[in-house]
Amino acid sequence: AQRVTQPEKLLSVFKGAPVELKCNYSYSGSPELFWYVQYSRQRLQLLLRHISRESIKGFTADLNKGETSFHLKKPFAQEEDSAMYYCALLTGANNLFFGTGTRLTVIP
Amino acid sequence: GAVVSQHPSWVICKSGTSVKIECRSLDFQATTMFWYRQFPKQSLMLMATSNEGSKATYEQGVEKDKFLINHASLTLSTLTVTSAHPEDSSFYICSARDGLGQFFGPGTRLTVL
Repeated sequence: AQRVTQPEKLLSVFKGAPVELKCNYSYSGSPELFWYVQYSRQRLQLLLRHISRESIKGFTADLNKGETSFHLKKPFAQEEDSAMYYCALLTGANNLFFGTGTRLTVIP
Repeated sequence: GAVVSQHPSWVICKSGTSVKIECRSLDFQATTMFWYRQFPKQSLMLMATSNEGSKATYEQGVEKDKFLINHASLTLSTLTVTSAHPEDSSFYICSARDGLGQFFGPGTRLTVL
């Protein structure tokens, strides 16, 4: 069975500091991983996906199959980055399973 | 980008009544729609997956007779919570997928008194 683990429920960093949100997964097949973000009072939206290998809003995430991780990183956190972040795994059956989420607070 | 709407955004009902929640893809046709449930400060839990014109596939532990899903068209799916009880109070989020990705609705908060 698939599993997505986000070990930190809460994460606070100062503005300008680097930030890393951890995500580990367990899946027997070939994983397709995503990061979703939910800003206050807004709907869930896609931040980035590993197959795109892109940087969105300064965030990047690299899939490490050896460590089964897909950590989200940003070198310099901004106040507007404060939000709830969910790591998600797409299974072969095309179902998206979410981690428990990490609430990021960027302190001015 | 693609927009998914849900109606109502908030509903309060008495225990024992049934509540229907609508999910629409506004500017695209969704090959698949999903229903998630989110408890306070917890993650989204997939309840069921539905394809237009066919029966929904429910996740383990989700009662299909309690949470009725109808996917009548490529732009509309409904979730009916039958004989609702206070423990059904939750945030229900639908999601729709097309060839470009999976998009989420704003959610419906259900409160059962």
